[in-house]
Amino acid sequence: DQQVKQNSPSLSVQEGRISILNCDYTNSMFDYFLWYKKYPAEGPTFLISISSIKDKNEDGRFTVFLNKSAKHLSLHIVPSQPGDSAVYFCAASETNAGKSTFGDGTTLTVKP
Amino acid sequence: DAGVTQSPTHLIKTRGQQVTLRCSPKSGHDTVSWYQQALGQGPQFIFQYYEEEERQRGNFPDRFSGHQFPNYSSELNVNALLLGDSALYLCASSSDFGLTETQYFGPGTRLLVL
Repeated sequence: DQQVKQNSPSLSVQEGRISILNCDYTNSMFDYFLWYKKYPAEGPTFLISISSIKDKNEDGRFTVFLNKSAKHLSLHIVPSQPGDSAVYFCAASETNAGKSTFGDGTTLTVKP
Repeated sequence: DAGVTQSPTHLIKTRGQQVTLRCSPKSGHDTVSWYQQALGQGPQFIFQYYEEEERQRGNFPDRFSGHQFPNYSSELNVNALLLGDSALYLCASSSDFGLTETQYFGPGTRLLVL
């Protein structure tokens, strides 16, 4: 039973356009959500997070939206840049639970 | 400020052998978590160590064990290796007093079991 799902294994967008990565979860106890970016031969790098008390969090070109009723979150990257090409993981946790549950990732390719 | 470091970077073992992987957390962090990432999948939580004790454990058999030292560094031990243990093993550190669960990951150890 996969509690965090990223249904799109890959996404390709043109440089300058918007990238939208989606994530669904099933565990209603999750109250903290994170996005990580992973380049080959490196560990995941924290990108942006959102608490369940919010529905939006923005950091520069990156915005995460949370729809608690639909158990859905999305990451928007505007404008997309070739350096954004990487695998993006969605993760969810219960506050102070000590672990994160990850999705299987979406490979984003931004074409120049 | 050194980030999370792991050693070795790559390792090849045969079935039935035992392996030990090492992790040094980011400066100022006292909590270490270990994850297994199989090819094409996301990281799966193995266990977490805090104050030299295993605090949380995921759905992994007892062949997977760990240790945390007084300097907060940690080891992951896997006994009786199976082919299915081939994966990238990631160590992540965090600060226990935080209310959030942002973890900082090392580059991982890639284990191949033949």
